[in-house]
Amino acid sequence: DIQMTQSPSSLSASVGDRVTITCRASQGIRNSLAWYQQKPGKAPKLLLYAASSLQSGVPSRFSGSGSGTDYTLTISSLQPEDFATYYCQHYYSTPITFGQGTRLEIK
Amino acid sequence: EVQLLESGGGLVQPGGSLRLSCAASGFTFSNYAMSWVRQAPGKGLEWVASFNGRGVDTFYADSVRGRFTISRDNSKNTLYLQMNSLRAEDTAVYYCAKGGWVDYYDYWGQGTLVSVSS
Repeated sequence: DIQMTQSPSSLSASVGDRVTITCRASQGIRNSLAWYQQKPGKAPKLLLYAASSLQSGVPSRFSGSGSGTDYTLTISSLQPEDFATYYCQHYYSTPITFGQGTRLEIK
Repeated sequence: EVQLLESGGGLVQPGGSLRLSCAASGFTFSNYAMSWVRQAPGKGLEWVASFNGRGVDTFYADSVRGRFTISRDNSKNTLYLQMNSLRAEDTAVYYCAKGGWVDYYDYWGQGTLVSVSS
C-alpha cells in the first residue's frame, strides 16, 4: 500500500495568512492526488484533484502543486471559514489511502 | 443537485450484523462507481469498499474483506453495505461517496454512525 504522510499535523495561523500543507507519498503517484477539507461533524469536501485542478465551486485562494511523491496545498489568504482539518488522498492504485490529516487552527 | 443520504447505522454487539443504505439522487447513479469510506472517532479516513457502475466488480479493504459486502440496486438508486462479524474496531462514521476504488470522491453523504460495543 502507498503511505501518505502529511505535515504538519497541526498548524496555527491567522486570518489573511498564507498557509502551505505538504503531503508525501511513499512512492510516485503521478499527480493522482486529491485534497479534502473537513469541518467538525461534517463530511469531507473535495477541494482539488489531479494535484492542481480546482473542484467546481471551490474558491481560487486554494491551490495545489507538486509531482512525483511530494505535493502541497496552499491557501493564499486564510478566511475564517477555512479553519478545518485537511486530508490528502492518492488514487494512483488500489487501495487508495489518505494522509493522517492536518488540523488548521486559529492563532 | 447531487445528494447522498445514508441510513442504517446504530449500536450493535461484537459479532453482530448491520446493513447500511445510501440513497442517491441528482445524477445517473448506474453510470458511476460508488464507495464506502469510514472514519473512526477522532481518526482519519479509511476506504472500505467500492462497486463499479454497471458491472459486478467489487473491491474491499483487507480489514473488511470476507466480513463486509457492498452491493447496489440501480433501479432504486441505492448503495448498500452489509456488515457481518462486526468488531469494536469497526466503530466509525460510515460515508457513502461517489467515486470508485482508484478515484477521488467528489460527493459525500452526511455519514451514519456505527458503534460496536457490548
